[in-house]
Amino acid sequence: EAGVAQSPRYKIIEKRQSVAFWCNPISGHATLYWYQQILGQGPKLLIQFQNNGVVDDSQLPKDRFSAERLKGVDSTLKIQPAKLEDSAVYLCASSLGDATYNEQFFGPGTRLTVL
Amino acid sequence: LAKTTQPISMDSYEGQEVNITCSHNNIATNDYITWYQQFPSQGPRFIIQGYKTKVTNEVASLFIPADRKSSTLSLPRVSLSDTAVYYCLVGDTNAGKSTFGDGTTLTVKP
Repeated sequence: EAGVAQSPRYKIIEKRQSVAFWCNPISGHATLYWYQQILGQGPKLLIQFQNNGVVDDSQLPKDRFSAERLKGVDSTLKIQPAKLEDSAVYLCASSLGDATYNEQFFGPGTRLTVL
Repeated sequence: LAKTTQPISMDSYEGQEVNITCSHNNIATNDYITWYQQFPSQGPRFIIQGYKTKVTNEVASLFIPADRKSSTLSLPRVSLSDTAVYYCLVGDTNAGKSTFGDGTTLTVKP
């Protein structure tokens, strides 16, 4: 069974530029998560989708971050414009359902460096 | 949302049993306890999950006392490859989410 795919794996941009990350979850998984993980910290949930609807985006900086999950499968996360403090690893995860006992499967992440 | 507290770091030697305890005093009745493992440059990976008493799989055991205010992840006979960060999560079924803390960095030495 294929895992969660993410691209790109690495990205370097200058501040005020825009960037987009792509995630393809495990087939059949209804719930998709985007996390931000700053070096030395645990993952922080940015947004959670159930199919193509948003369940939780309370920690998403909506003035610069946006995410969508068209057709309830793939998802993109965009940052516009980027700030230095956005340097982090962006992790995508998926699970069968949104119950908290559902195992989350994580992708390898995208490491973003903002200069 | 139930808050979790774990030690920041632990050291062990190959072949030893390692126990990592997580405190979650405000755990709710319907919450599950889940542990993830994360290696450098990888996403977290599910290890084990439980609700009460003891759960064991091929990788680890999870001990949960009757009051469920804490839980202990037990790794038998660790090897160098068990060096990783271990996260304890408590699911908040009312809020529909669980939160990662900063985890416990386990370093296994030869």
